Amino acid sequence: GENVEQHPSTLSVQEGDSAVIKCTYSDSASNYFPWYKQELGKGPQLIIDIRSNVGEKKDQRIAVTLNKTAKHFSLHITETQPEDSAVYFCAASIRTHNFNKFYFGSGTKLNVKP
Amino acid sequence: DGGITQSPKYLFRKEGQNVTLSCEQNLNHDAMYWYRQDPGQGLRLIYYSQIVNDFQKGDIAEGYSVSREKKESFPLTVTSAQKNPTAFYLCASKTSGGITRDTQYFGPGTRLTVL
Repeated sequence: GENVEQHPSTLSVQEGDSAVIKCTYSDSASNYFPWYKQELGKGPQLIIDIRSNVGEKKDQRIAVTLNKTAKHFSLHITETQPEDSAVYFCAASIRTHNFNKFYFGSGTKLNVKP
Repeated sequence: DGGITQSPKYLFRKEGQNVTLSCEQNLNHDAMYWYRQDPGQGLRLIYYSQIVNDFQKGDIAEGYSVSREKKESFPLTVTSAQKNPTAFYLCASKTSGGITRDTQYFGPGTRLTVL
């Protein structure tokens, strides 16, 4: 089955700096790649996603890039703020028979220092 | 957390007891999922359901059971057969068609602790 690896497991940056989180996947059939932000004690919230027919997507300070050939995708957060501190998860999804199955990375704990 | 509610937020169980975690959604979503989250790990799929009265085992279904009698409800029972049930449990749902067909929405989670 699909295997998603995520790095780094922890990331500490100074406020205003950029943060990059990287994920790799193994199954070339994966065609949808969401990123989630999870605050302590809460459920994950979708922050950005990308489909396999797109190489890059941006939403204000957040961007995601996808390299299908290398099977990796990355989350970029610019001008980080303390409220960006949370755990971030990547996922890869395979859609078969009108149904999505999701495979998650192990998470990155981002700490933005004021 | 959208229109997905999970209850209770915290649950304590004695060893040997079965407990049921509630998940309700008012998003009219067809598909629903249960995940388990352990510290330092990603989400692992327990069970999923594409439509009412149908559900499938995920990667770690042993010791768990579900039902899907109504579209909006997908309760998870953690049985005494689950050897290490202490974890954070997340319910999710998504629609099956349309422009947002790939987007999965999560509930706020239930933290289960076995005493």
